[in-house]
Amino acid sequence: AQSVTQPDIHITVSEGASLELRCNYSYGATPYLFWYVQSPGQGLQLLLKYFSGDTLVQGIKGFEAEFKRSQSSFNLRKPSVHWSDAAEYFCAVASYSSASKIIFGSGTRLSIRP
Amino acid sequence: KAGVTQTPRYLIKTRGQQVTLSCSPISGHRSVSWYQQTPGQGLQFLFEYFSETQRNKGNFPGRFSGRQFSNSRSEMNVSTLELGDSALYLCASSPPGGSYEQYFGPGTRLTVT
Repeated sequence: AQSVTQPDIHITVSEGASLELRCNYSYGATPYLFWYVQSPGQGLQLLLKYFSGDTLVQGIKGFEAEFKRSQSSFNLRKPSVHWSDAAEYFCAVASYSSASKIIFGSGTRLSIRP
Repeated sequence: KAGVTQTPRYLIKTRGQQVTLSCSPISGHRSVSWYQQTPGQGLQFLFEYFSETQRNKGNFPGRFSGRQFSNSRSEMNVSTLELGDSALYLCASSPPGGSYEQYFGPGTRLTVT
């Protein structure tokens, strides 16, 4: 069965510092991978997605993620965080046969230290 | 284009009652998915509708049901509400063409007392 693990429940970084949020997935074939962000009281916004091709994916708001098949990982990175990046981040996986049935990780809450 | 809209935004119901939530997808989107978000279980897939037909279903009891209309608007219904049904219910729509992107609405916060 597909699954997604986000090992960090809560991360605090200083404004201007770099960020890496970890995500590991379990899936037999090449999965569809996503990162979403959720601000308090809001729905989810898609940051970026990976289906195939270049393993380094660029997204919105200056985020990028790298797909590493050998490590079953899809970590999210940003070189310099802003206070407005404070939110909950979700990694997610879907299969080709059920692409609408997205399996979400448990989320990582990001706090920004002024 | 207007985003995904969900009504109502907040709802308080009593245990044993039933509730209907509504979702209007982005114009041109024919696929609508529903998710339940709770602090304990996180985000869980409920079901997906495409062209008025349920295409995928998650692992929820039969008390949770949905439907989609010819204009792609969707409703989900929960009967015989339980305290554990208190959650944020999110609706998402997907564009045609197989991009597999989902655009989420703001959600309906359901509280069962």
